[in-house]
Amino acid sequence: DAGITQSPRHKVTETGTPVTLRCHQTENHRYMYWYRQDPGHGLRLIHYSYGVKDTDKGEVSDGYSVSRSKTEDFLLTLESATSSQTSVYFCAITVGLQGNTIYFGEGSWLTVV
Amino acid sequence: SQELEQSPQSLIVQEGKNLTINCTSSKTLYGLYWYKQKYGEGLIFLMMLQKGGEEKSHEKITAKLDEKKQQSSLHITASQPSHAGIYLCGADGGAQKLVFGQGTRLTINP
Repeated sequence: DAGITQSPRHKVTETGTPVTLRCHQTENHRYMYWYRQDPGHGLRLIHYSYGVKDTDKGEVSDGYSVSRSKTEDFLLTLESATSSQTSVYFCAITVGLQGNTIYFGEGSWLTVV
Repeated sequence: SQELEQSPQSLIVQEGKNLTINCTSSKTLYGLYWYKQKYGEGLIFLMMLQKGGEEKSHEKITAKLDEKKQQSSLHITASQPSHAGIYLCGADGGAQKLVFGQGTRLTINP
């Protein structure tokens, strides 16, 4: 599993509340990613990071922010959750100098009611 | 932007039969990843292909990359119930940012 831990694994929250998902890795890998998975849309990239304090937007970044103050943690924040952000969120890391392997975490199931 | 199309979207095979899943890209493939996902779980990395003509195998699963056709195929030999799940292909869009296909749902009947 490449030492990736996502938390929380399951969360139900109300519309308009802030939510933070955490991705923790234990092996100091440089690249980290947040994806969301939805029926009919598949997996889509939200944000990614290529180092501490170096982040960039992905395909579906609106409504999300990220932070990476330490190599091992990549946080995804929904500033004001909406029902459209109900989804499964996956963190991923790149392993290897040539990015030969990209491992995913177990996922965080978020329901916004 | 790059798009990946997987075919078939759903596949039901009898245990012991061989099967193939295809992944076709709208653009040149520079890196192609295959994953397996079981319902409610995370993605399991199967293999990654980088070069045209490259072929990799893991147990009874073989993947090939045809750069000219902008296509990759995943072949399972003598399928088993443990092969059931959703198979996803992902293309490297740069900086290992993956663009995924919609997935192929595989069911194995005993």
